[in-house]
Amino acid sequence: DIQMTQSPSSLSASVGDRVTITCRASQGIRNDLGWYQQKPGKAPKRLIYAASSLQSGVPSRFSGSGSGTEFTLTISSLQPEDFATYYCLQHNSYPPTWTFGQGTKVEIK
Amino acid sequence: QVQLQESGPGLVKPSQTLSLTCTVSGGSISSGGYYWSWIRQHPGKGLEWIGYIYYSGSTYYNPSLKSRVTISVDTSKNQFSLKLSSVTAADTAVYYCARAVVADPSSFDYWGQGTLVTVSS
Repeated sequence: DIQMTQSPSSLSASVGDRVTITCRASQGIRNDLGWYQQKPGKAPKRLIYAASSLQSGVPSRFSGSGSGTEFTLTISSLQPEDFATYYCLQHNSYPPTWTFGQGTKVEIK
Repeated sequence: QVQLQESGPGLVKPSQTLSLTCTVSGGSISSGGYYWSWIRQHPGKGLEWIGYIYYSGSTYYNPSLKSRVTISVDTSKNQFSLKLSSVTAADTAVYYCARAVVADPSSFDYWGQGTLVTVSS
């Protein structure tokens, strides 16, 4: 099984800060990775798919990068509505399975 | 606009079977091209993929739950369902249904709102 390690588990940041969250896969997964934002009591919302493609309607301050085993979600200028928990999601091709990262809680400094 | 909606009992007794249904609107399960999945989230914890079904009925389950999980599809009702047997308090969670595109399965594009299932006597 492919393991996903997401870091950090939490971070404190201020409005306007640049924030970076990382996911590492135990083996190469090409670009089969997505990023989600989840707010309390809500379903996760997709931000990024295929490692770097921005979901329609998601602000351009969100970006994803990486391929193979290391992936990054960057928020270029943190906004008040961005305080939430973020998850990466890895897809394994055969058999089709999915594994979430452990989550990163972004809190107000 | 595709919408998914979970339904089912919010309270299940220990050792019984948890049963949930996901109703899909705005798109047809039988058209193919999608993996229809169940995902759960324990209170205050992270997300766990449970398994998926394809419109043809082919399935794959998370090995950690495989012995207790059955996912089925009813294309005539545009629904797919989850059964989890022999539940314990550890199965208390919010259960989501979601869709991934076969052509780009890197992530789930549509999700239901989630339904809380509590296992308690």
